[in-house]
Amino acid sequence: DAGITQSPRYKITETGRQVTLMCHQTWSHSYMFWYRQDLGHGLRLIYYSAAADITDKGEVPDGYVVSRSKTENFPLTLESATRSQTSVYFCASYPAGSSGNTIYFGEGSWLTVV
Amino acid sequence: KQEVTQIPAALSVPEGENLVLNCSFTDSAIYNLQWFRQDPGKGLTSLLLIQSSQREQTSGRLNASLDKSSGRSTLYIAASQPGDSATYLCAVNEGDKIIFGKGTRLHILP
Repeated sequence: DAGITQSPRYKITETGRQVTLMCHQTWSHSYMFWYRQDLGHGLRLIYYSAAADITDKGEVPDGYVVSRSKTENFPLTLESATRSQTSVYFCASYPAGSSGNTIYFGEGSWLTVV
Repeated sequence: KQEVTQIPAALSVPEGENLVLNCSFTDSAIYNLQWFRQDPGKGLTSLLLIQSSQREQTSGRLNASLDKSSGRSTLYIAASQPGDSATYLCAVNEGDKIIFGKGTRLHILP
């Protein structure tokens, strides 16, 4: 099925562990994004990517690493998870090239760091 | 740095009323503006997208307007229903980054 999928959907991990959240889109959209959503802060941009091998920091990049070796995949890694990284993470993609193009979101990944 | 503000943060209205949600942004150099709906524990659903050259878009009971020069957008919901209860987010597309407001939590009273 065409779309954008995130995995895992739910994850509990311990402080200090490395965690990778996966994001896959089937449209070959050029732009991909990672957001985190927290009560009182709304959706905040962590990292974004304009194309394969091109990534850039968003508003809250500290503690996160991304890569984009293939257009369709944009994994987000927490190198050493902290409790402050407990959040809901959303991946999104966007087919740049027209101002009429909408952004598409995955269903979210709920991460709890204990 | 683009900042997107949504007022009010929460709103409760009786069923059947018309209502307006507000979104303001600080940098008018935008590609487009999009309104989303989010139900509790769920992802985001796109409602309306207004390109920078447009003034408004309509879909059913929803109408969104855009005034780039003043940095404002409104989402008008006509004849509200309990099923409209959700959080509504506006997002400003700068071309390479998409910045969200914190949302308005809407509760429609039966």
